[in-house]
Formats: sequence, C-alpha cells, structure tokens
Amino acid sequence: EEQLVESGGGLVQPGRSLRLSCAASGFNIDDYAMHWVRQAPGKGLEWVSGISWNSDTIGYADSVKGRFTISRDNAKNSLYLQMNSLRAEDTALYYCAKDILLRMGGLPNGMDVWGQGTTVTVSS
Amino acid sequence: DIQMTQSPSSVSASVGDRVTITCRASQGISSWLAWYQQKPGKAPKLLIYAASSLQSGVPSRFSGSGSGTDFTLTISSLQPEDFATYFCQQANSFPVTFGQGTRLEIK
Repeated sequence: EEQLVESGGGLVQPGRSLRLSCAASGFNIDDYAMHWVRQAPGKGLEWVSGISWNSDTIGYADSVKGRFTISRDNAKNSLYLQMNSLRAEDTALYYCAKDILLRMGGLPNGMDVWGQGTTVTVSS
Repeated sequence: DIQMTQSPSSVSASVGDRVTITCRASQGISSWLAWYQQKPGKAPKLLIYAASSLQSGVPSRFSGSGSGTDFTLTISSLQPEDFATYFCQQANSFPVTFGQGTRLEIK
C-alpha cells in the first residue's frame, strides 16, 4: 500500500524556522513529482510547493516564495519542506502528496496519495 | 496567477439527485484540471485528473468534462457518502491554484 507520513509540525514563534518531513512507503518517490499542500483551520486547500521527479523543476506559491524550500532525498524515500521566517498566516495543516503520473514535471496533474498531515501553529 | 472560481459555493441536494459543480479558470488551462473530494478531518481524495480521467477506484457516477476555461464535475446519482466538499485544481502553470471549494450538503 502506498503511504505518506508527515512529521515535524508544532508550535513555533513568528520569525522562527521549522522543517517538515514526509516519509513514503509502498512506492519509490524518485519516479514521481511530490507536493506540499496546506489547509488553514476551516479554510480551503492551498498548494505550497512542488518538485519534479528529477528535481529539475520546483515551484512555490507566491505566499511562501523566498521563505520556504522544498527538497527530496530519494535514497531515503523522503520529501522535506524547510520553512523560514514563519508568520501567523502560515498556521495550517500541512499535507504532502504524490503526483499520479510517472516522471512528469513539477505541476500536479493530480495528487493521488496524501498523508494525514502535520499541524504547524505560528504564534507567540 | 490563474484564479479558479467554483460555483456554487454550497449546494443542498437529496440522495439520487444529479449534481453539477462548475469551475472556471481566469485563463485557458487546456485540460490541466483535477477534482478532489474532502470529508471533515480527512485528507483530500483525487476523483478526476486531466479534466475527465476517472481516478482508479472512484465510482463511475463521478464524471468530469471541459477544457480551456470552463469545467464541470457531475455526480449522476448522489449517494450518502458523497456529501462532502469538492475542490478543483489547475495544473497548467505555477503557482498551482485551487478553487475555493463547493460544499455539498444533504437537503
């Protein structure tokens, strides 16, 4: 069974940093683009960042560009999100997700496997 | 950025009804559109990708259509488990954007 498990969330003060991890099992992430999507409490879905299967293409939402960095370690079958200069508006449940299509670019053709999410709360 | 606008924002319907949700892109996105279903406390579930391709395991009562700027998700005969929130998502260009969601409620 294909699974994703996020970790690394927590309570952090504004301006501080946090690193999220996403461990995959049941498939090799090096065949797929991977993504981070967040959902603030009671709100809709917001795509945060995506990385192509070969890391050649990376994209970010305007709201996080310059502050967040996505990366992948295919040897560890894991995806990461380094979040710097955190703001209150970054408070959300962060999901990692796998693209449905094999070896495509960094845009999510459809995200067919999702983790359970990890909660990030930015507050003083 | 491409804006995705869903309508309606919420809809009430009964079991057995046919329901259509629309998603409009602020510029042409070819067929680079996906639809998701989300239930409270759960991660989103992929229903449709490439505008009209049904994800494996998704019931055939779900269908998607459209290209360019106008898209629809149709549920042909609502079942109790279909009451949820639905989101569209464009995959034409960065930054990727979602619609604001359509809440499907029981009448």
